[in-house]
Amino acid sequence: SQKIEQNSEALNIQEGKTATLTCNYTNYSPAYLQWYRQDPGRGPVFLLLIRENEKEKRKERLKVTFDTTLKQSLFHITASQPADSATYLCALLGSSNTGKLIFGQGTTLQVKP
Amino acid sequence: GAGVSQSPSNKVTEKGKDVELRCDPISGHTALYWYRQSLGQGLEFLIYFQGNSAPDKSGLPSDRFSAERTGGSVSTLTIQRTQQEDSAVYLCASSLEAAAHEQFFGPGTRLTVL
Repeated sequence: SQKIEQNSEALNIQEGKTATLTCNYTNYSPAYLQWYRQDPGRGPVFLLLIRENEKEKRKERLKVTFDTTLKQSLFHITASQPADSATYLCALLGSSNTGKLIFGQGTTLQVKP
Repeated sequence: GAGVSQSPSNKVTEKGKDVELRCDPISGHTALYWYRQSLGQGLEFLIYFQGNSAPDKSGLPSDRFSAERTGGSVSTLTIQRTQQEDSAVYLCASSLEAAAHEQFFGPGTRLTVL
């Protein structure tokens, strides 16, 4: 069955360091992959989208990679700040063009000053 | 501009009662989605509407759950004969079109079934 895995353990890092979050998937050939940020008590907020033919995407301090051979996406936040503390969700879109996103369970990032 | 809004923000009900949750998507967005998020868990897809096409109901957990979208805009998610395991945050999202477009989420409705 299709499965998306994100590290369920919280990631604690020091301010200024680079945070790296992982999203692995199996039995899936997603056409697109998205990353969202979710703060407590709020809905997720879109951050980045990367297509299957793209290896890397950047937006300000954020960088996403997509390796369809390893079936893995990495999400990096450089020069992390306490305000980056949140839960980060990866979501996959199948190539069937239905618009249906399948979400991972999210990884909580805590950036300490 | 206005984002996605949901009402009520909180709903407490007794087991066996029916509940209706409302979603107002962003104007002009043709795609609308409902998800469920249990405590500490990821988002579970429930149902998806795209324009005038038949909705994708593949995520609805049982026939007690139904949803409709009137006039291509407002959507209502109905849960009949609620059970305690239905307690969760119900999130609605809309996007300009389906596929490859970012989804804009509402704040969610926290449902508690006693």
